Amino acid sequence: EAQVTQNPRYLITVTGKKLTVTCSQNMNHEYMSWYRQDPGLGLRQIYYSMNVEVTDKGDVPEGYKVSRKEKRNFPLILESPSPNQTSLYFCASSQGRNQPQHFGDGTRLSIL
Amino acid sequence: AQSVTQPDIHITVSEGASLELRCNYSYGATPYLFWYVQSPGQGLQLLLKYFSGDTLVQGIKGFEAEFKRSQSSFNLRKPSVHWSDAAEYFCAVDLSSGGGADGLTFGKGTHLIIQP
Repeated sequence: EAQVTQNPRYLITVTGKKLTVTCSQNMNHEYMSWYRQDPGLGLRQIYYSMNVEVTDKGDVPEGYKVSRKEKRNFPLILESPSPNQTSLYFCASSQGRNQPQHFGDGTRLSIL
Repeated sequence: AQSVTQPDIHITVSEGASLELRCNYSYGATPYLFWYVQSPGQGLQLLLKYFSGDTLVQGIKGFEAEFKRSQSSFNLRKPSVHWSDAAEYFCAVDLSSGGGADGLTFGKGTHLIIQP
């Protein structure tokens, strides 16, 4: 089954404690991206990747890092999380730019 | 600035009634256009997309959308809603076709409530 898998689905942690949210897709997609969803703001892109070792900033990249060492994986790293990063995060992938994106089920992060 | 506007934050419709969700974009060229649906606790699912050609596009679950260049709009419609259509609906544009940034720009969403 074609899918985008995020882990964990839920996480409560404290300010400053590094965390990583993993994202994996099994569709051999080249394009992957991360979004955060906040009430009243819709979804905003954090980072995206056009292919292995190619990443670029989206609209709200501050406080986040990503890596793309393999085609299937695109982890989101919060080196020093802060409460304003409490949000619902979605990973997505697509065959290429402009193509419809497939979304994971989301990761709800709470930073205390 | 480039933007996507969904003017209705909430819409309430009776089951069996018709539905239209509005979406307007502000961009010089014609972007790629999408509608996604998000059910509670789930990710986003693509309903339909417009790239070029016929301006009336059909999607899944009985939805359709019409692209109107003159109005910079891409409104989503369904002739008869079902209780299972209650969800959050997002209009999105991809501006990269016209040299804009990669990735999707989303509207803020419309929450659809279905009355019995």
